[in-house]
Amino acid sequence: AQKVTQAQTEISVVEKEDVTLDCVYETRDTTYYLFWYKQPPSGELVFLIRRNSFDEQNEISGRYSWNFQKSTSSFNFTITASQVVDSAVYFCALRGGDYGGSQGNLIFGKGTKLSVKP
Amino acid sequence: EPEVTQTPSHQVTQMGQEVILRCVPISNHLYFYWYRQILGQKVEFLVSFYNNEISEKSEIFDDQFSVERPDGSNFTLKIRSTKLEDSAMYFCASSEGGQRGTQYFGPGTRLLVL
Repeated sequence: AQKVTQAQTEISVVEKEDVTLDCVYETRDTTYYLFWYKQPPSGELVFLIRRNSFDEQNEISGRYSWNFQKSTSSFNFTITASQVVDSAVYFCALRGGDYGGSQGNLIFGKGTKLSVKP
Repeated sequence: EPEVTQTPSHQVTQMGQEVILRCVPISNHLYFYWYRQILGQKVEFLVSFYNNEISEKSEIFDDQFSVERPDGSNFTLKIRSTKLEDSAMYFCASSEGGQRGTQYFGPGTRLLVL
């Protein structure tokens, strides 16, 4: 079975603090894809990043960075020098590869609500 | 930048009524999806659609639900006889490629069933 666990339900930080959001996944597929989406208070889902299972290189985009560790089945997301505008719910999601002929539906974690206070 | 659009943004309906939620996927995308998010909960997959037919559906997507691509641009989700528990945010998504493509989501339709 495929599963995504985001153990942190809510995190509250003060502006300029660094914060890491944890994501642990389970899959029996050898090829799979991991995603992070941001859901601000307005409700839309904003794509942040996609990572393929065969590419373990970490990625940095401005204040955002992602640490993919296949050995621990984790895909953690770090925001450096957080800002109030980062306040949102962040979802980690998994999409399996060819097993079962899936056309690619995403399996989401329960999300982590991040509150950044000024 | 191309984006997925959804209408209406909000819909209030009476239990037992039919609703149709509309989506316009990104124009060169071939794979279309519906997800729903009950308030405060995680996003759940409903159905995927490719080449004018359903590719995959979840247990949630029972006989009360149907999807259609009536023309070259719209993608609709119909709920035949709404129940209270259908109240949720419904998201449409589209991607260029099935498994390898990134799914881009629309802004959602908030459905409230009274």
